[in-house]
Amino acid sequence: GENVEQHPSTLSVQEGDSAVIKCTYSDSASNYFPWYKQELGKGPQLIIDIRSNVGEKKDQRIAVTLNKTAKHFSLHITETQPEDSAVYFCAATLNSGYALNFGKGTSLLVTP
Amino acid sequence: EPEVTQTPSHQVTQMGQEVILRCVPISNHLYFYWYRQILGQKVEFLVSFYNNEISEKSEIFDDQFSVERPDGSNFTLKIRSTKLEDSAMYFCASRRQGSNTEAFFGQGTRLTVV
Repeated sequence: GENVEQHPSTLSVQEGDSAVIKCTYSDSASNYFPWYKQELGKGPQLIIDIRSNVGEKKDQRIAVTLNKTAKHFSLHITETQPEDSAVYFCAATLNSGYALNFGKGTSLLVTP
Repeated sequence: EPEVTQTPSHQVTQMGQEVILRCVPISNHLYFYWYRQILGQKVEFLVSFYNNEISEKSEIFDDQFSVERPDGSNFTLKIRSTKLEDSAMYFCASRRQGSNTEAFFGQGTRLTVV
């Protein structure tokens, strides 16, 4: 079936450093790529998304890049803070519909 | 800020019993979803619902699962005869009309089958 691969599975950075999480997808029909942050015991919360007609999008300390040719997209968090510690999931739309296929998640730890 | 609400937050049930998980999507949203997350694993799509019918479903969503929108506000997931492997967090999500709009997730229901 169609797959979303996410790396790394765990990431530890020092406060103030940048964090980068990478995803690849296999379904050429995917056209919407959200990133979700999940804190312990809570539901996923959207932090940023990108659509297939855009290569890059930025929102304060968070940016996402998309390479449709290579089927890669990445999340960049700059000036990380301890409260950024959480599990981050990338996702891509399944087929040409609106359901989401999630990556396996990256557990980000930001140490003071 | 509007949010998706789910009840109960935790449900414990005996194997073979039926459970109904409830969700109240955001009021002006038209697309509704159920996802599940087995402990420590990724979030998996189960089913999407639009215009009072299922629009997509995954291989996980077999005959023991069903969804319903019994009134104008609730969206339910029923598991007819629960199995141990159904133990997971179940998330409801909704989104408004329009292509590729944001899906808002609820806080989830933790289902434990014993």
